[in-house]
Amino acid sequence: AQKITQTQPGMFVQEKEAVTLDCTYDTSDPSYGLFWYKQPSSGEMIFLIYQGSYDQQNATEGRYSLNFQKARKSANLVISASQLGDSAMYFCAMSLYNNNDMRFGAGTRLTVKP
Amino acid sequence: GAVVSQHPSWVICKSGTSVKIECRSLDFQATTMFWYRQFPKQSLMLMATSNEGSKATYEQGVEKDKFLINHASLTLSTLTVTSAHPEDSSFYICSARRQTSMWTQYFGPGTRLLVL
Repeated sequence: AQKITQTQPGMFVQEKEAVTLDCTYDTSDPSYGLFWYKQPSSGEMIFLIYQGSYDQQNATEGRYSLNFQKARKSANLVISASQLGDSAMYFCAMSLYNNNDMRFGAGTRLTVKP
Repeated sequence: GAVVSQHPSWVICKSGTSVKIECRSLDFQATTMFWYRQFPKQSLMLMATSNEGSKATYEQGVEKDKFLINHASLTLSTLTVTSAHPEDSSFYICSARRQTSMWTQYFGPGTRLLVL
């Protein structure tokens, strides 16, 4: 079974600065996908970015980039030029190729300060 | 885009009653849907995996007689909380996976259940 660890319960960042949210994972399966979701206070889960285990390059989506270090089993999310609307809970998740359910980390609450 | 809806978004019920929550994929066919539960300030916990036309697969510790799941079509899965009790109060979220995509899950907006 896969395991996802987010060790930062809360993070603060100044508006317009960059912030890194940490995520480590553990699996013996070579085929997997890593995801980041944003959950605002409304509760909806907003997909941000995806990284496949065989992808050679780090994924990027606008202001979001995923720092994928396979040997260290880490998949940190980098948010550049933080905005006040980025304040939310952020969840790292993992799905195995042969077992499609998704497992989530404990989450990190990001607060962007004006 | 891929849109998943849930109904109702809010439900308050008396202890002992049953509550049905619907999860629909609006613009794609979903062979697999997932049901999650989230307590306040906690992460999402997978409850069960629902495959169209077959029985759901429940995670360890989840009572299948308590949480009845039906996935009767490629666009609809339902979760029924039977004989609800206050400890069942939670945020329930479904997600759906496209037939054509191995990875991406699209989440519904969630249903907040409060059992009095």
